Amino acid sequence: DTGVSQDPRHKITKRGQNVTFRCDPISEHNRLYWYRQTLGQGPEFLTYFQNEAQLEKSRLLSDRFSAERPKGSFSTLEIQRTEQGDSAMYLCASSLRTAYGYTFGSGTRLTVV
Amino acid sequence: DAKTTQPPSMDCAEGRAANLPCNHSTISGNEYVYWYRQIHSQGPQYIIHGLKNNETNEMASLIITEDRKSSTLILPHATLRDTAVYYCIVRVEFSNIQGAQKLVFGQGTRLTINP
Repeated sequence: DTGVSQDPRHKITKRGQNVTFRCDPISEHNRLYWYRQTLGQGPEFLTYFQNEAQLEKSRLLSDRFSAERPKGSFSTLEIQRTEQGDSAMYLCASSLRTAYGYTFGSGTRLTVV
Repeated sequence: DAKTTQPPSMDCAEGRAANLPCNHSTISGNEYVYWYRQIHSQGPQYIIHGLKNNETNEMASLIITEDRKSSTLILPHATLRDTAVYYCIVRVEFSNIQGAQKLVFGQGTRLTINP
């Protein structure tokens, strides 16, 4: 295992389409986070999973967004009826013990046209 | 909401020490300070973290003031590959989840290392 993997790296979609991103965390990490980063800004927290349970959602996560982590392994983030404002980098991070660093993936860059 | 304030940009000569300041005047007693950096089109990379004491690792040193309201990241001998956006971050407790936290990023400092 070499880190957190995210797929795809880039996604271009038409407004109104649905998109799904995947994150594979470091295998022994039970904590998983999704962040969103718009151009020139720092990443903003979206949601947090502890094992398979989604325990926290930001107010940034509208009803069009849904995230899952079946069996506490990989996670998916789906955006329904995409809007141009959804264009951003979506980052996934995982951690094992909160006293240590959080490992981020390289992100999925979404462009809605 | 971000709990840190950083200068938007800084320059440093190659081979010199880069000192990146950060203000976090509203930090709470149990909230850690983290530093990450992000090179274009990549995910944030962990550098160092600390609570009260100064910390040092193979990448950098972290100096936290006694009142914990500010800190400085020091890259001792900057190289061209250290050119990146550096984020000073506060790790904040979730209000309703015991023992779990999230990283709250600020706007970051764009550090440019010049030859």
